[in-house]
Amino acid sequence: EVQLVESGGGLVQPGGSLRLSCAASGFTFSNYWMSWVRQAPGKGLEWVANIKQDGSEKYYVDSVKGRFTISRDNTKNSLYLQMNSLRAEDTALYYCASLDYYGSGRGDYYYYMDVWGKGTTVTVSS
Amino acid sequence: DIQLTQSPSFLSASVGDRVTITCRASQGISSYLAWYQQKPGKAPKLLIYAASTLHSGVPSRFSGSGSGTDFTLTISSLQPEDFATYYCQQLNSYPLTFGGGTTVEI
Repeated sequence: EVQLVESGGGLVQPGGSLRLSCAASGFTFSNYWMSWVRQAPGKGLEWVANIKQDGSEKYYVDSVKGRFTISRDNTKNSLYLQMNSLRAEDTALYYCASLDYYGSGRGDYYYYMDVWGKGTTVTVSS
Repeated sequence: DIQLTQSPSFLSASVGDRVTITCRASQGISSYLAWYQQKPGKAPKLLIYAASTLHSGVPSRFSGSGSGTDFTLTISSLQPEDFATYYCQQLNSYPLTFGGGTTVEI
């Protein structure tokens, strides 16, 4: 069964740090771009970060640049999000997701997030 | 950054209704658009990618159309299990962005 399972969430004080993990199973993890997406309580979805298959490319939403680091260990089929200098506005349910793509045959690659975990909750509060 | 504006934000409908949700991009994104369904307390589920391609296992009552800046998600005959929140997402360029969501309620 294809599965992503997040862990590592919890309650942390403003300015603190947390490391989220996402364990992948049922598919060849090393073949896929991976993402972190978050959802603040009662709010919509917000993309946080992406990482390429070999970790050579990483992208972040502006609000977390310099504070969050996405990484992966393909030998452990695991994705990580190191979160430093946490703020109240980082409070959210954090999902990991795998990115697959459809190739049009004309050189276009249409990516999409097709497998999602159930999420892990991060609460930043004093 | 590319902004995605979904409308309406809330939609009241009945079983059997035809429902259309629109997603407008602040600049052209070709067909680099996906649609997701999210039910309360659950992770999002992929419905459509490349603006109009139905994901495996998704019922055929769901369809997507559009290219450039204007996109639609249509549910041809609303079923009880379709009451949920729907999000569009652009994957044309970073930062990836989602629309604000459309909640389909009874």
